[in-house]
Amino acid sequence: EDKVVQSPLSLVVHEGDTVTLNCSYEVTNFRSLLWYKQEKKAPTFLFMLTSSGIEKKSGRLSSILDKKELSSILNITATQTGDSAIYLCAVERSGGSNYKLTFGKGTLLTVNP
Amino acid sequence: NAGVMQNPRHLVRRRGQEARLRCSPMKGHSHVYWYRQLPEEGLKFMVYLQKENIIDESGMPKERFSAEFPKEGPSILRIQQVVRGDSAAYFCASSPSTGRRGNTGELFFGEGSRLTVL
Repeated sequence: EDKVVQSPLSLVVHEGDTVTLNCSYEVTNFRSLLWYKQEKKAPTFLFMLTSSGIEKKSGRLSSILDKKELSSILNITATQTGDSAIYLCAVERSGGSNYKLTFGKGTLLTVNP
Repeated sequence: NAGVMQNPRHLVRRRGQEARLRCSPMKGHSHVYWYRQLPEEGLKFMVYLQKENIIDESGMPKERFSAEFPKEGPSILRIQQVVRGDSAAYFCASSPSTGRRGNTGELFFGEGSRLTVL
């Protein structure tokens, strides 16, 4: 069974700090790893990382995939209170069931002013 | 362009009652996926539907749970004779009719329906 483990489970920082969230995975026939941000509403897509795209950046957020270590990190620099959310990591396997994402439990990030 | 719409957002049921959760996919999307998020757990895949077809229900509990996506109207996740363990957030997601999840690969999620069983 595919498995995704995120760490830490929760994190409290002050505005302006830089944070690194971790995601490790075990999946048969890995295809991609996805990061989502979940506030008190719909999970919203952040990044998708594949073998052909192992590093992504968008503003203060960036993510790297390490296929050797079967892991990924999500970095947020100069954090703001609006970054407070649960960050979800998910993996997808290749083949017919590419819609069946396996999610981790998430990391709850709290950014205090 | 409205996103994935789910209702009700919150539903309270007593043990033994039925729960019906609805999901309208994004405009132009004909593929719907249901995920369940139990307390302290990650999102778990339940079922994948296209219009009038169940494609993959491998994540659905064997009893009491059913899903449909009729030709007209929203997709419905139905839970009969609910028990306390059914209390969870149920998320619906959709993707374009090509069956791919769009160029960026993401599923478009709704805001979820939170079921509480008393």
